[in-house]
Formats: sequence, structure tokens, C-alpha cells
Amino acid sequence: EPEVTQTPSHQVTQMGQEVILRCVPISNHLYFYWYRQILGQKVEFLVSFYNNEISEKSEIFDDQFSVERPDGSNFTLKIRSTKLEDSAMYFCASTLDRGTEQFFGPGTRLTVL
Amino acid sequence: DQQVKQNSPSLSVQEGRISILNCDYTNSMFDYFLWYKKYPAEGPTFLISISSIKDKNEDGRFTVFLNKSAKHLSLHIVPSQPGDSAVYFCAASARGSNSGYALNFGKGTSLLVTP
Repeated sequence: EPEVTQTPSHQVTQMGQEVILRCVPISNHLYFYWYRQILGQKVEFLVSFYNNEISEKSEIFDDQFSVERPDGSNFTLKIRSTKLEDSAMYFCASTLDRGTEQFFGPGTRLTVL
Repeated sequence: DQQVKQNSPSLSVQEGRISILNCDYTNSMFDYFLWYKKYPAEGPTFLISISSIKDKNEDGRFTVFLNKSAKHLSLHIVPSQPGDSAVYFCAASARGSNSGYALNFGKGTSLLVTP
């Protein structure tokens, strides 16, 4: 069964460093998402992406964040200058059609020291 | 601003009995509701969904009920099995809006099914 994959599973970085989290959505899906879950809190929406552009973003997704689909398979989230409060699980999700269930990857645990 | 609330952080049920997980929402624009199950160190796994034009959707042991007037939905698992032990998230989106259909999640309910 097709699934969303994410790499790395765990990323440790120093405050102020740039990180890139990678996702490979399900191959025929068209809509892509990033969410995050800070420990003990709910899963929060960051950004949605369709047709090579951002279709919606939350207030969390500030200028430090960017997304890209550099080729036909990868979908990346870049954090330019990480802060301690960026430590969280980051989940990528994809869906074939807007308004249907989103399929989530296993997540990347980001630890900012 | 919690638009989706799951007021019970945990629930314990005996194997074979019914598990009922509850969820409330505040945003009247929400018209599509989903339940996800999550095991530790894994991403959320889609379980079942319901559109606001329905009040019930059933898939095997899982049934979701929607009460729009009360802005309340529930997930029933019958019969409960030990493998159902996980964190269950309620999520909602506003498909009628011109948006990317972001999912708004509740904080989750940890279900423990005991043998």
C-alpha cells in the first residue's frame, strides 16, 4: 500500500542553524501539507501546497519557514534559523483530492539545542 | 483558540465492550470531520470520516455520529480490541471555504483497551 515517507526520522540541530525536512508524498497525490506537534500539545497545521504554490498557511508559518517541491517526488520544509521552540514532531501529509482524508507520514522529530 | 475539543484525555475500556470517544467543535464553517488513530512514534492514521450532510457513517467496527446542532461528534468502536489502544484524534476542516482544507485537530484521547 502506498505511503508517505519522511526523512530523517530524527534531526538534532543547534539554535540558529538551517534545517530541511524531507517528505515523499504518495505518488499520485496533488495536495501536500506540513503539520507539527509540540510535545504534549495538539497537531497544528503549518502550510498547504498545491500546483507549486502555497494555498494556505497558518500564523506559525512565518518568514523563517519555506516549502518547496524541487522535483516530481519530494516535498520539503525548510526552517532558516531554528529556535528552541521549533522543537517538535513535523508531519507531512498528502491527499489526492482537496477535501478528502489526508495521509500522514511517520514524522520527523526535530530537536533544537 | 481551540476550535476542536476532546475533553477526555484518556479512556479505559474492557475488551469486547464499546468505546465511545467524544469531540466538540466551535467553528460552524466546519463541514468535514475525521478521526485519526496514532501509535507512539508513528504518524496519524486515518480511520473514518463524515460529511456534514450526514449524521452517521459506519465502517466495520467503527461508527462516527455527527450532531450538527450540538456541534458534537463521537466515535464508537464495537467491540473494542486490545489493538485499538492508541491515541485518537478528532479533526475538522471547512471544505466549503476557499482554503487549502487544513485540518484542525483536537488534543487527542488516549484509549486503553484491557483484556
